Amino acid sequence: AQSVSQHNHHVILSEAASLELGCNYSYGGTVNLFWYVQYPGQHLQLLLKYFSGDPLVKGIKGFEAEFIKSKFSFNLRKPSVQWSDTAEYFCAVSGGSYIPTFGRGTSLIVHP
Amino acid sequence: DTEVTQTPKHLVMGMTNKKSLKCEQHMGHRAMYWYKQKAKKPPELMFVYSYEKLSINESVPSRFSPECPNSSLLNLHLHALQPEDSALYLCASSQRTRGTAYEQYFGPGTRLTVT
Repeated sequence: AQSVSQHNHHVILSEAASLELGCNYSYGGTVNLFWYVQYPGQHLQLLLKYFSGDPLVKGIKGFEAEFIKSKFSFNLRKPSVQWSDTAEYFCAVSGGSYIPTFGRGTSLIVHP
Repeated sequence: DTEVTQTPKHLVMGMTNKKSLKCEQHMGHRAMYWYKQKAKKPPELMFVYSYEKLSINESVPSRFSPECPNSSLLNLHLHALQPEDSALYLCASSQRTRGTAYEQYFGPGTRLTVT
């Protein structure tokens, strides 16, 4: 069975600070990895995804994530956050099934 | 068109009412999902339809009854709900190819309040 853990449950940053949100998964085979974002009052949107190829994946709004297979990790990064990045961030993994498993989420608050 | 639409946006219902939630997508996706989401929590999978057939039911109480009339439409029929069923109900869709996963596209959700 696949599982995913997000270690940072609440993150508070000031604008222009750098961001890294941790995501680790547990699955023995080939995985597909996703980061979703949910802005206040809005629906879940895909930030980026990894299926294969270059382990450094670039997504929308300046976000990127790096798949490190040896560490079973898929951390999300952004060099300089903005107030508008305040949101819930969910990491998700799908392994043997096309159904993704979601992490518990990280609540990011960016102060202007 | 990469949109999943859901109606209604908000729904308040009593515990004896019967109501339905509707979800629609026109992306040609053959997998459709119902999720339940509580505030600040990840979405919890309820049902999955693959090629219009129910493929996963995550032990959801029978007061929730899904229906997939065609490849574009997904309904969730609600009856005799409990106050703890109050939540955001999300619909999602994705392509479905055997052995391959694709990203899910989520609708805006229906905010359900059971009184």
